[in-house]
Amino acid sequence: SQTIHQWPATLVQPVGSPLSLECTVEGTSNPNLYWYRQAAGRGLQLLFYSVGIGQISSEVPQNLSASRPQDRQFILSSKKLLLSDSGFYLCAWSSPPRLAVTYEQYFGPGTRLTVT
Amino acid sequence: AQSVTQPDIHITVSEGASLELRCNYSYGATPYLFWYVQSPGQGLQLLLKYFSGDTLVQGIKGFEAEFKRSQSSFNLRKPSVHWSDAAEYFCAVGAEYGNKLVFGAGTILRVKS
Repeated sequence: SQTIHQWPATLVQPVGSPLSLECTVEGTSNPNLYWYRQAAGRGLQLLFYSVGIGQISSEVPQNLSASRPQDRQFILSSKKLLLSDSGFYLCAWSSPPRLAVTYEQYFGPGTRLTVT
Repeated sequence: AQSVTQPDIHITVSEGASLELRCNYSYGATPYLFWYVQSPGQGLQLLLKYFSGDTLVQGIKGFEAEFKRSQSSFNLRKPSVHWSDAAEYFCAVGAEYGNKLVFGAGTILRVKS
């Protein structure tokens, strides 16, 4: 069966510091991968998605970047954090559309980021 | 462009009462529709999905949803709510040929004893 891991689970970082959040998926190949953010009291905001190694689509211009160095690894980064980067970050995966009947996404446990 | 509207931000129901959470979508073709649940501090869990066939779909934890094309709706129901159902619920529609989901803003369910 497939599992998705995110780490760290919680993170407190000062303004201006760098960020690296990691997501890995097990039990599947060539997944689509996604990064979402939930700010307090707000819904899900899609930040990036990837359909393959090195292929990143950015949904919202911002202080963050994403990379996919391996098939089942997705990394969210920032060079200098802002207060507004605080939130709950969720990674998700789905089967690529060419292989899937439906397009559901499966989510990781999330990372709580607090920028102070 | 696809969109999802969840008209109710908060809903409070008594334990044992029935529940209906509303979801309306905008999509040009036959939609792929989903309901997810999120407990505080956790990721989203898929409750159920619709993509074709029977318009009444059964999911986990005793939930069901009905797809009504004429009303562009996909409402989530449960006949008897348990205290453990208190969570936030998200409706979503597939977009961009399956590469993306568009989520509603969510409905927070509170269960009172």
